[in-house]
Amino acid sequence: DTGVSQDPRHKITKRGQNVTFRCDPISEHNRLYWYRQTLGQGPEFLTYFQNEAQLEKSRLLSDRFSAERPKGSFSTLEIQRTEQGDSAMYLCASSHIEGLAGRKEQFFGPGTRLTVL
Amino acid sequence: KNEVEQSPQNLTAQEGEFITINCSYSVGISALHWLQQHPGGGIVSLFMLSSGKKKHGRLIATINIQEKHSSLHITASHPRDSAVYICAVPPRYNTDKLIFGTGTRLQVFP
Repeated sequence: DTGVSQDPRHKITKRGQNVTFRCDPISEHNRLYWYRQTLGQGPEFLTYFQNEAQLEKSRLLSDRFSAERPKGSFSTLEIQRTEQGDSAMYLCASSHIEGLAGRKEQFFGPGTRLTVL
Repeated sequence: KNEVEQSPQNLTAQEGEFITINCSYSVGISALHWLQQHPGGGIVSLFMLSSGKKKHGRLIATINIQEKHSSLHITASHPRDSAVYICAVPPRYNTDKLIFGTGTRLQVFP
């Protein structure tokens, strides 16, 4: 499968625990995005990378959230001291941008569903 | 007022009906995305368009940049079209992130 993959698909944790999610983008894609989706709502932007550089972060990304893409390939999203309000689907997407070629379609992964008890 | 609004929020149809889902946005963009999300969460990109009209199979997307409005049409709808349809736009010209509508839940009955 050459699409975007995410691991794990489901995570149940207790409040206060730390969790880490992984996203593997399509191999030649240089841009990687993280979004969060709560029940009944559209996704909300969290952050995105071009190669290993984090280009933009949402105000939603509190100090408890950190994202990395150390080698410009896979990315991790860590949530420290989870709260019940963190329960959501965490979506990853990737695309490939070259110079001033303009925006490209984003390809989404299956998501990681987080439940904080 | 949300920057991206969709209507209707919920839509039911009989198999074979022509479906229209609307999206209005208030931010400046260069391209609008239509996405499909099935139960279980997976999102599939249907269209990205910046002007005019695009067609893929039974799906047609149109956009009017001046009026900041886009429509997604499904011809000869089928139960397998049942899903949530979401439109999304970049909020500014110098960013690649997307902001999303809340989605339109479509159910097509046989």
